[in-house]
Amino acid sequence: AQKVTQAQTEISVVEKEDVTLDCVYETRDTTYYLFWYKQPPSGELVFLIRRNSFDEQNEISGRYSWNFQKSTSSFNFTITASQVVDSAVYFCALALYNQGGKLIFGQGTELSVKP
Amino acid sequence: NAGVTQTPKFQVLKTGQSMTLQCAQDMNHEYMSWYRQDPGMGLRLIHYSVGAGITDQGEVPNGYNVSRSTTEDFPLRLLSAAPSQTSVYFCASSGPISGNTIYFGEGSWLTVV
Repeated sequence: AQKVTQAQTEISVVEKEDVTLDCVYETRDTTYYLFWYKQPPSGELVFLIRRNSFDEQNEISGRYSWNFQKSTSSFNFTITASQVVDSAVYFCALALYNQGGKLIFGQGTELSVKP
Repeated sequence: NAGVTQTPKFQVLKTGQSMTLQCAQDMNHEYMSWYRQDPGMGLRLIHYSVGAGITDQGEVPNGYNVSRSTTEDFPLRLLSAAPSQTSVYFCASSGPISGNTIYFGEGSWLTVV
C-alpha cells in the first residue's frame, strides 16, 4: 500500500528564517510522481512542483527548493528567507504511474511565518 | 479558461437531506476525481473517473455516489447527509498520464447539521 507521511503538523518561524518541510513516502512501485501543493488561508490548492521517480535532481525555484532522495524515500521542501505570505498548509502527495489522477496525500504541514 | 469549476462554494445541509456537488472542467481531461479534506487527515479520495461512463471508488466512498455521463462533468451526490460528511470537498481533473498536472477546483465547504 502507498502512504505519504508529513510528520510535522505545525511549524512556526519568524520571517527570514529558512524552514524545511519533511515528506516521507512509501510505495513498492518503481515509477511514480511526487507533488507539493500549497493551501493558503483562502483555501484553494496551489500546485508547486511535480517530480518523477527517475529524476532525483534537486530543484530550485526562487526561494523554494526541493530535495528528492529515493534512498530515504523523502521529498523535502525548503523555503529560504521565509515571508509572511508563505503562511499556509503544505501538502505532499504521491501518484502511481498507472493510476493517473489519483493522489495520495500526506496529512499536511501548517506553516506560520510571523513578522 | 475556467479550468475546474465547483458549485456551490458553501452549503449547509440538515441530516438526511440529499444534495449534489457539481464539478465541471473545460480542459477535455479524461481523469476526474473527488477528494474530501478533514483536519489532520489531508485530502482523501472519494471517487474517481478515467473517462465518460467509467467510475470507481477511492479510499472513502461510503455515502457518496458519482456518475460521469460526459467528459466535462463529474457530479458528487450525497444521498442522505450525515454530520460525518461535514468537510471541504475538492474536485480535480487531469490528463491520462500520472505525471500530468492535476488541476483542482476551489473547493466546496459543506456543513451537515
